[in-house]
Amino acid sequence: EADIYQTPRYLVIGTGKKITLECSQTMGHDKMYWYQQDPGMELHLIHYSYGVNSTEKGDLSSESTVSRIRTEHFPLTLESARPSHTSQYLCASSESGRGAGELFFGEGSRLTVL
Amino acid sequence: KQEVTQIPAALSVPEGENLVLNCSFTDSAIYNLQWFRQDPGKGLTSLLLIQSSQREQTSGRLNASLDKSSGRSTLYIAASQPGDSATYLCAVHTGKLIFGQGTTLQVKP
Repeated sequence: EADIYQTPRYLVIGTGKKITLECSQTMGHDKMYWYQQDPGMELHLIHYSYGVNSTEKGDLSSESTVSRIRTEHFPLTLESARPSHTSQYLCASSESGRGAGELFFGEGSRLTVL
Repeated sequence: KQEVTQIPAALSVPEGENLVLNCSFTDSAIYNLQWFRQDPGKGLTSLLLIQSSQREQTSGRLNASLDKSSGRSTLYIAASQPGDSATYLCAVHTGKLIFGQGTTLQVKP
């Protein structure tokens, strides 16, 4: 069973609010990822990190930002939420090393911006 | 550019049937391929991971195969149960994980 946690699970907020989605893992993984998924649609990588103080943008452009100050923690922030940000945000982590390890996902954070 | 395609998009079968889900990818230069299950509104649960050097992996009633040269993977589910109803996603790792759009499976009692 994967030890990766996301909070909040559900969030409904008004336009213009600042929000932070939390993601923590207790597996000591160096690699962490944020994916965005609209209902019934595929996952799109929006941010990833290969270690502390390392963050990169993914394939899908996103107005969100991320930080990686600690290995276990990879929060995602929206400075000013808009209805177009309504989506499910999924955090994942994997081991480092040559190639790629198994990816583990959190339960997701479903964001609704009114 | 790596593209991942899953066929069929949706599948409905009666309980007890054996079934096969298909995943194809355009670039054979992959590190591994991973199959996931996603229940509605939830995150993804890892089912099987096949490294590029492997041909198949098994876990319980699930068996996944990988043919890198043809760019194909299959997920075989034996003796399907209503609890298997979910969306099944395959993803190839090329440095980043590229997902297919998934196959939504419904197993009817």
